[in-house]
Amino acid sequence: DVKVTQSSRYLVKRTGEKVFLECVQDMDHENMFWYRQDPGLGLRLIYFSYDVKMKEKGDIPEGYSVSREKKERFSLILESASTNQTSMYLCASSLSSGQGNSPLHFGNGTRLTVT
Amino acid sequence: GNSVTQMEGPVTLSEEAFLTINCTYTATGYPSLFWYVQYPGEGLQLLLKATKADDKGSNKGFEATYRKETTSFHLEKGSVQVSDSAVYFCALSAGFNKFYFGSGTKLNVKP
Repeated sequence: DVKVTQSSRYLVKRTGEKVFLECVQDMDHENMFWYRQDPGLGLRLIYFSYDVKMKEKGDIPEGYSVSREKKERFSLILESASTNQTSMYLCASSLSSGQGNSPLHFGNGTRLTVT
Repeated sequence: GNSVTQMEGPVTLSEEAFLTINCTYTATGYPSLFWYVQYPGEGLQLLLKATKADDKGSNKGFEATYRKETTSFHLEKGSVQVSDSAVYFCALSAGFNKFYFGSGTKLNVKP
């Protein structure tokens, strides 16, 4: 089974701090994704990466950056955390498929609170 | 464009009742369709998928059929259990790493 591991289940940070959310997958997937999940807004894509050192903006990239130095690891960075970034963050990975029939495999999420 | 619409919740059922959660989609091209389940405090888990018209995905007693003529992918289970209480998401992928999720339907199953 694919395992996607997010380093923290819960994080509490202060406004203005730099925050790193880490995600590791163990199935050699090419694609990795960061979503945030908020009540009433569903899942929104922040960034994704289809290869090492490659990244693409999703629907809501503002205030975030990402890093993918190794195939198995995808980091989400909040350069200067703000209270409106309080959310559940979900990492996912998938095999490359031009037909789009490879499912996403999700981690357990990191619930970030910015105070 | 691509989008997914699923029925609003919460849906409350008694144990052993029949479950249907409706999902309809709009898509360009030939999407793959998925159902995910999210238990409290956890990430989303793939429940089932279907990659072409008339395919039926099934897992753990849940099933859904890819209906191109009605652009639907309704989730069904013949007899729900308390342990099925969760939020269910319908999703589509039309390729190029782009997934579209419905807003989720919360299911509460009472003993």
